[in-house]
Amino acid sequence: EAQVTQNPRYLITVTGKKLTVTCSQNMNHEYMSWYRQDPGLGLRQIYYSMNVEVTDKGDVPEGYKVSRKEKRNFPLILESPSPNQTSLYFCASSLESRGRKIYGYTFGSGTRLTVV
Amino acid sequence: QQPVQSPQAVILREGEDAVINCSSSKALYSVHWYRQKHGEAPVFLMILLKGGEQKGHDKISASFNEKKQQSSLYLTASQLSYSGTYFCGTEILVDDKIIFGKGTRLHILP
Repeated sequence: EAQVTQNPRYLITVTGKKLTVTCSQNMNHEYMSWYRQDPGLGLRQIYYSMNVEVTDKGDVPEGYKVSRKEKRNFPLILESPSPNQTSLYFCASSLESRGRKIYGYTFGSGTRLTVV
Repeated sequence: QQPVQSPQAVILREGEDAVINCSSSKALYSVHWYRQKHGEAPVFLMILLKGGEQKGHDKISASFNEKKQQSSLYLTASQLSYSGTYFCGTEILVDDKIIFGKGTRLHILP
């Protein structure tokens, strides 16, 4: 089944303790992205990657890191989480045609992160 | 740069029609539409590309006015299953990101 798999689904952690949220897709998509979703703010892009070893900042990258060593994986790293990073996180992937995402995103199931 | 969606929320009775609008201040290459049910991931509905085409499947369709940088999503004869939050995502001409609006909550009553 074609899908984007995120882990974990739920995570409660303490301020300052490094964590990684994994994202993997099995559709051979070039483009992958991380979004955070907060009430009233919609989906805001954190980082995106157009292909292996190519990553760039979205609109809210502060406090996050990503890497794209393989095409299928795009982990999100929080080096020193803070309470304002408590949110619902989604990983998404898309096929591209001439640099455009004309097939829409496939989203993962989401990771609900709480930082205390 | 974030597209503006209207209305923010709408309540309908089953069988009624709804229109959700999405407006951008930037020249657009495409507009995506997604639906998200509570506790679930957003699901892709359709994409409209530069060129002003109208698309649709079943009783959900959308249009894209390239001149006005606006898109509208039309839900005809709404069903209970249409309830959820609808997001538009815009891809502007000079960028390779998709920026989402804040969403429109749609609640269908029986």
